Amino acid sequence: KAGVTQTPRYLIKTRGQQVTLSCSPISGHRSVSWYQQTPGQGLQFLFEYFSETQRNKGNFPGRFSGRQFSNSRSEMNVSTLELGDSALYLCASSFTQGTGETQYFGPGTRLLVL
Amino acid sequence: QQQVKQSPQSLIVQKGGISIINCAYENTAFDYFPWYQQFPGKGPALLIAIRPDVSEKKEGRFTISFNKSAKQFSLHIMDSQPGDSATYFCAASGTGGSRLTFGEGTQLTVNP
Repeated sequence: KAGVTQTPRYLIKTRGQQVTLSCSPISGHRSVSWYQQTPGQGLQFLFEYFSETQRNKGNFPGRFSGRQFSNSRSEMNVSTLELGDSALYLCASSFTQGTGETQYFGPGTRLLVL
Repeated sequence: QQQVKQSPQSLIVQKGGISIINCAYENTAFDYFPWYQQFPGKGPALLIAIRPDVSEKKEGRFTISFNKSAKQFSLHIMDSQPGDSATYFCAASGTGGSRLTFGEGTQLTVNP
């Protein structure tokens, strides 16, 4: 079974631009979560989607948004990029939503904002 | 209230030794405590997880010890190997969601 795939793997943008990252969960998984990983802040939860609905949201500004499609694939968008948005963005999928569900992470998209 | 504190930040162990990483949490609503292992260029991968109804869980060389009253849990890696060199994250979740709150991470180096 293929793992979680994320595209693109690397991205360079300039301040003020916007970016869209894509995540394809493991086949059959319906829950997708997004995390931001930086050396300073570590791994921080962005949001979680299940059945095309946002179920949970972390403490990030409204510039960060996401959505999930009927095939469970998910995208996250960051508008008006700032230097501090440079990070590894990780997507994780699980079979369903709920505490204790094993989350499988993708390799991440490394975003560099110049 | 949502934080998970992890220590040490880095750890160097000789091959065959025991690696111990500690975590403490504040939110008593947490009821699931996984440990993730991350290699450079890869996403985190689940290593082992525990629920608060047990005090210890062992899988191969990896053991989680859990102290509910102290709100602490730890990862023990027995017979540490150079291939175990990676960054380890403790995490916690609860109250019905999949959302994970991660510790700061521990960079483990196992010398041959």
